[in-house]
Amino acid sequence: DTGVSQDPRHKITKRGQNVTFRCDPISEHNRLYWYRQTLGQGPEFLTYFQNEAQLEKSRLLSDRFSAERPKGSFSTLEIQRTEQGDSAMYLCASSSEYPRELGKLFFGSGTQLSVL
Amino acid sequence: AQSVTQLGSHVSVSEGALVLLRCNYSSSVPPYLFWYVQYPNQGLQLLLKYTTGATLVKGINGFEAEFKKSETSFHLTKPSAHMSDAAEYFCAVTYSGGGADGLTFGKGTHLIIQP
Repeated sequence: DTGVSQDPRHKITKRGQNVTFRCDPISEHNRLYWYRQTLGQGPEFLTYFQNEAQLEKSRLLSDRFSAERPKGSFSTLEIQRTEQGDSAMYLCASSSEYPRELGKLFFGSGTQLSVL
Repeated sequence: AQSVTQLGSHVSVSEGALVLLRCNYSSSVPPYLFWYVQYPNQGLQLLLKYTTGATLVKGINGFEAEFKKSETSFHLTKPSAHMSDAAEYFCAVTYSGGGADGLTFGKGTHLIIQP
């Protein structure tokens, strides 16, 4: 078990460009979450998958954001027409579905996005 | 809706002193409460959690927290701080029943350990 991995670690882009991030969860976890964290704030929930189904989306997730988990394994988060306000750390986490494991998330190190 | 409030964005203690990080929650249903820690350049990791049962829960690295329903609090403590405890600490809440909702995190408390 190598933990949750995210790629890339850092991304610098110009305003208006599209970016895509990848997350590989812990292999036996069927739940996958995306969070966003800005300086001085805690992680903010964006969206959640159980297997390949996207079950929950935050109001924070505008139409420019889309997430997929096509085979219930890795996930991608795409931001179209990036804005400077999108600059943040994007965190991926995974967890087991067992009730006793509720809330026990395993986080990746994140992708730091800077929009110039 | 649920939320957590962490009092103090920065807390500074001397090495060997008591660590107390405060967290108050708001939830319309019985909460599940968590403390996560984020060391520099590392991902968040779970320190401890309260779901049901014993209200005093123990976690890794000598930390513990007590769920006090009457005070809607879940403060994190450690009797004796160590330099390696310097990190960002986040309180978080979710609830049973819904089962799948993501955690709601507080803004975090940066713990500084003075030598």
